[in-house]
Amino acid sequence: DTGVSQNPRHKITKRGQNVTFRCDPISEHNRLYWYRQTLGQGPEFLTYFQNEAQLEKSRLLSDRFSAERPKGSFSTLEIQRTEQGDSAMYLCASKTAVVLTGELFFGEGSRLTVL
Amino acid sequence: EDKVVQSPLSLVVHEGDTVTLNCSYEVTNFRSLLWYKQEKKAPTFLFMLTSSGIEKKSGRLSSILDKKELSSILNITATQTGDSAIYLCAGNFGNEKLTFGTGTRLTIIP
Repeated sequence: DTGVSQNPRHKITKRGQNVTFRCDPISEHNRLYWYRQTLGQGPEFLTYFQNEAQLEKSRLLSDRFSAERPKGSFSTLEIQRTEQGDSAMYLCASKTAVVLTGELFFGEGSRLTVL
Repeated sequence: EDKVVQSPLSLVVHEGDTVTLNCSYEVTNFRSLLWYKQEKKAPTFLFMLTSSGIEKKSGRLSSILDKKELSSILNITATQTGDSAIYLCAGNFGNEKLTFGTGTRLTIIP
């Protein structure tokens, strides 16, 4: 399978715990994006990388959120001291930077439930 | 600040009907508009429209970009139950990320 891969697919955690999600993009894509989607809403941009460089972070991304993309391959999104408001689907997407208007290819998401 | 607005929020039609979904966007730095279909998993790409390509068609689905009205429509003819999904509209405003609307939830009744 050469699509965008995310894991875990589902995560249930207690408030205050830390969680980490992983995304493996399409291999030739140098741009990687994280979005968050809550029920009834469209995906909201969180952050994106070009290769290993994190180029932009949304103001939605509080200090409890951190994302990395070591070596410009897979990426991780960590949420520290989770809150119930963090419950959402976390979507990863990738694209090539060659075509600036090109589509994003999404993974199937990691659904987080904070109890 | 809403740059992409979709309507209606939800729509219920009978199988075989034709539906039109709407998306409006801001003109500032607009580069392209994309339509995605989202079932219970990841959004899947349908169409991308730019100022140089304002109409796309694939089977029963088609989309038009109206540069004057700053809007786009997605048409689905002869709807099938498999068309039930959330349809997302997204704009690229030259800042290397997509801004999504809230989506239109389409339900097709057999």
